[in-house]
Amino acid sequence: NAGVMQNPRHLVRRRGQEARLRCSPVKGHSHVYWYRQLPEEGLKFMVYLQKENIIDESGMPKERFSAEFPKEGPSILRIQQVVRGDSAAYFCASSPDRPGELFFGEGSRLTVL
Amino acid sequence: RKEVEQDPGPFNVPEGATVAFNCTYSNSASQSFFWYRQDCRKEPKLLMSVYSSGNEDGRFTAQLNRASQYISLLIRDSKLSDSATYLCVVNNPGGFKTIFGAGTRLFVKA
Repeated sequence: NAGVMQNPRHLVRRRGQEARLRCSPVKGHSHVYWYRQLPEEGLKFMVYLQKENIIDESGMPKERFSAEFPKEGPSILRIQQVVRGDSAAYFCASSPDRPGELFFGEGSRLTVL
Repeated sequence: RKEVEQDPGPFNVPEGATVAFNCTYSNSASQSFFWYRQDCRKEPKLLMSVYSSGNEDGRFTAQLNRASQYISLLIRDSKLSDSATYLCVVNNPGGFKTIFGAGTRLFVKA
């Protein structure tokens, strides 16, 4: 009975490199969310996806960030040309068809040197 | 104005105390409401939904006041294990955009 699986758990990148974070939702969940959390701060909504569709990306920075949830495989959050300010914990969550009931992964902690 | 606002605390209470947190939301058309709990450096977990009529789950009571646009969480007989950050969560119209407050920190001490 696997929950939301995120990998990598920890990722170190140098400025200018790319970061790819993966998220496999709970089996049967069709809704995927990505949130960013800076140290000592709250969760900031980034994007909400369903299979093959981005439903709401109002929280995503306009540049360098993209997300997808393909028909097969995990959801991917991609950050191009990372900067130090991208260092954060990135949480993925999935939901059944019950709005607001989110199941979170353990997060991916990105450190940009 | 933030969509969901909470007093960051921290609230420092002794074991056995009763403690209450409030949360306000800005979108009067928000549809559903929840409290989550997040332990230090862990993922958030759903604590309870908040229903219009108010609801209770053991030592936890949640209430919703739509007219004033606030949600509350009451914890009775606090335990050391209740120490965590409590996140107020709101779903906006359309249902699936889920917004988290910044959280209220609770420390329960022996």
